[in-house]
Amino acid sequence: AQSVAQPEDQVNVAEGNPLTVKCTYSVSGNPYLFWYVQYPNRGLQFLLKYITGDNLVKGSYGFEAEFNKSQTSFHLKKPSALVSDSALYFCAVSPGAYGGATNKLIFGTGTLLAVQP
Amino acid sequence: DTEVTQTPKHLVMGMTNKKSLKCEQHMGHRAMYWYKQKAKKPPELMFVYSYEKLSINESVPSRFSPECPNSSLLNLHLHALQPEDSALYLCASSLTGPGGANVLTFGAGSRLTVL
Repeated sequence: AQSVAQPEDQVNVAEGNPLTVKCTYSVSGNPYLFWYVQYPNRGLQFLLKYITGDNLVKGSYGFEAEFNKSQTSFHLKKPSALVSDSALYFCAVSPGAYGGATNKLIFGTGTLLAVQP
Repeated sequence: DTEVTQTPKHLVMGMTNKKSLKCEQHMGHRAMYWYKQKAKKPPELMFVYSYEKLSINESVPSRFSPECPNSSLLNLHLHALQPEDSALYLCASSLTGPGGANVLTFGAGSRLTVL
């Protein structure tokens, strides 16, 4: 079965420190990987995606993510956290290019990032 | 225009009421989605319309009825809901889809409370 795991319900980090939000996946073939962020009382916003090529993907608001095929991971990172980064972060996977109508986006359970001033 | 607009933002309804949620996008996207989201949980897919045809129905109870009048509009008709249906309902769209490398653009959601 295809799945996405976010092992941490919450990550706490001090402002100015680097942050990492973890994601691992279990999908056959070559998946497409995404990170979305949800601020309070808002919909989800796209941050970045990995399709192919360079394992380090840069996205919005200074975030980046590293694709590691051998560890089936796609961790989200930022060199210096801001209080305004506090939000709910979702990793998601789409099982590759071919799948027709059943090729749906699978979301992880979400990680709440809390950045303390 | 890079937005998905959802109305109303808040809706309170009784279990015997009939109401509708509306979603609109003008990005030329050809796939539109309804998701249900409970607090601090991931969104759960309900329906997908692709090129104005219903392509995915995730076994949603018939008290939820989707409608796609044209490529820019998506409605969710609500009837005889239960209190457990209270949630944030998110509309999203993508250029094509579902699936593949498509990025979803989400609306801000309609927060539904069923009394």
